[in-house]
Amino acid sequence: GQNIDQPTEMTATEGAIVQINCTYQTSGFNGLFWYQQHAGEAPTFLSYNVLDGLEEKGRFSSFLSRSKGYSYLLLKELQMKDSASYLCAVRDSNYQLIWGAGTKLIIKP
Amino acid sequence: DAGVTQSPTHLIKTRGQQVTLRCSPISGHKSVSWYQQVLGQGPQFIFQYYEKEERGRGNFPDRFSARQFPNYSSELNVNALLLGDSALYLCASSFTPAGVSEQFFGPGTRLTVL
Repeated sequence: GQNIDQPTEMTATEGAIVQINCTYQTSGFNGLFWYQQHAGEAPTFLSYNVLDGLEEKGRFSSFLSRSKGYSYLLLKELQMKDSASYLCAVRDSNYQLIWGAGTKLIIKP
Repeated sequence: DAGVTQSPTHLIKTRGQQVTLRCSPISGHKSVSWYQQVLGQGPQFIFQYYEKEERGRGNFPDRFSARQFPNYSSELNVNALLLGDSALYLCASSFTPAGVSEQFFGPGTRLTVL
């Protein structure tokens, strides 16, 4: 079966750094996406990795290791507005997105 | 430019009824995907359409059906509604169904089945 695992909830302090991990087992791999979703809103695209390594985009970075079936999203200089759920999704061999349940990130002052 | 639009935003139905949800993709996007998101979970893939043809179907019963029109808009139909169908239904559009194009999500339709 296909499976994507993320921690259910994480707490961090404003101004700090947090790393959200994602491990996956899917039928084929055609890229990994990270999305941000605020409560009651639609997911918004954050990053895309298809090759091993680190992709940096401002305060957000995403890392991929295909051999380990592992990715992480790194958020720096945390702001209160970063409080949201972070969803990891893998595009499988049929080019369909398989989603994790999401990690709820709580930012404290 | 307008993003992905969905209608209605909220809907309340009773068990056994039928519902039709609508989605208009971003201009120029030819692929539309439908997802169901239950509270506290990630989206679950229902259908993907590209150029008016079904390109993928998730693990949902035959009560769920969809279609894509010549202008690339799409409808999702759910028959014989069950309480468990209560969820946020998300539509996402992309230029192509494959490759590196990301999906852009609409605001969703929140369906409540009583």
